[in-house]
Amino acid sequence: RKEVEQDPGPFNVPEGATVAFNCTYSNSASQSFFWYRQDCRKEPKLLMSVYSSGNEDGRFTAQLNRASQYISLLIRDSKLSDSATYLCVVMDSSYKLIFGSGTRLLVRP
Amino acid sequence: EAQVTQNPRYLITVTGKKLTVTCSQNMNHEYMSWYRQDPGLGLRQIYYSMNVEVTDKGDVPEGYKVSRKEKRNFPLILESPSPNQTSLYFCASSSREFSTDTQYFGPGTRLTVL
Repeated sequence: RKEVEQDPGPFNVPEGATVAFNCTYSNSASQSFFWYRQDCRKEPKLLMSVYSSGNEDGRFTAQLNRASQYISLLIRDSKLSDSATYLCVVMDSSYKLIFGSGTRLLVRP
Repeated sequence: EAQVTQNPRYLITVTGKKLTVTCSQNMNHEYMSWYRQDPGLGLRQIYYSMNVEVTDKGDVPEGYKVSRKEKRNFPLILESPSPNQTSLYFCASSSREFSTDTQYFGPGTRLTVL
């Protein structure tokens, strides 16, 4: 079983749609959680950290459920520029980042 | 501008020909690491360094070497490249406060070993 699992997609949605990505992790000792965005053939960039209380940044909302070892990312009012691969990332107790293989999002006009 | 640079960006080589991919950061970060990214597998850590002269193996260190003689540089060395090392490689750096600080990634090096 992978340490961080994501649905690979692709999720193909129209502009303006709301889309949600899920991620599960296997190590209950994981201490920090992130969503990264990666455009085709480019480097990953931090989208947002994920806090236990949930957090929002504009159209993006991240949630963490430690009991279920589950992380989510919600994107509201999708834009064409949101098309990318979204990486779920978990930091373990030794500060090592474990990356999911990513969920691909395609936003169509 | 804060950045991580990698060179070369693209490289095609042949089996057994030693190569080095350079990585440099200008943010005075202590922590640096190398990842490889392959389809369906996500990013996997090759080696990391907590500070100058301190390096350690990641998940997939076989066939790779690194060195950290200066804080800003963290080269990745392939002594005898093989076709299974064909991949997209990223260097990254961050400060010690990992839980609050982002990792900055270089632009990537696409390596093909024939």
